[in-house]
Amino acid sequence: QSVLTQPPSVSGAPGQRVTISCTGSTSNIGAGYDVHWYQHLPGTAPKLVIYGNNNRPSGVPDRFSGSKSGTSASLAITGLQAEDEADYYCQSYDSSLSGSVFGIGTKVTVL
Amino acid sequence: QVQLQESGPGLVKPSQSLSLTCTVSGGSISTFGYYWSWIRQHPGKGLEWIGYVYYGGSTSFNPSLKSLPTISIDTSKNQFSLKLTSVTAADTAVYFCARQYGDFRNWFDPWGQGILVTVSS
Repeated sequence: QSVLTQPPSVSGAPGQRVTISCTGSTSNIGAGYDVHWYQHLPGTAPKLVIYGNNNRPSGVPDRFSGSKSGTSASLAITGLQAEDEADYYCQSYDSSLSGSVFGIGTKVTVL
Repeated sequence: QVQLQESGPGLVKPSQSLSLTCTVSGGSISTFGYYWSWIRQHPGKGLEWIGYVYYGGSTSFNPSLKSLPTISIDTSKNQFSLKLTSVTAADTAVYFCARQYGDFRNWFDPWGQGILVTVSS
């Protein structure tokens, strides 16, 4: 059971917008710690797509955006493309555990 | 561009030790401000942070782990390592190494591609 809660799956047609929620608590996201997001295809290295709640690393398309409010955060993918089909994980820091925590992951399917 | 690569045995017997190494290329492991972490993913599950070694050698671990791991750094080889003792089937997972910069609350980037370790007799 992960400390951060994510929906198991979301799906959308090409060109549509999908959002992935990441719900935490007052010891992690709600305590003000940043949220980061990763894209992962099995067998490959996870790729950072959003850091510091809403910042995109160089090379990540601006179709990816992040937000944070209260004890939750969200990753939005607009103009969904087939190459976006992957697992997405959120990550933050938890003061009760004194360490990094992850969500269980959300599988994005492009219909 | 920094790259990380995990190496080690893919199969370990129960009660034995699991030892993995992460080789860092394209940059120095002993650069100020870098935290070098191990993260694992159990089959069909989410990601679990195991612990880190700071470039200066200090360490921190996930307190929810049943047994305390050892994470060490070898600056002469530009590598850091993970050791778990008395492993069980519950330690079967894909193990990733990754880097954080500046603060242990920051994001992980880059990651290695991961290595599957199966604990079985």
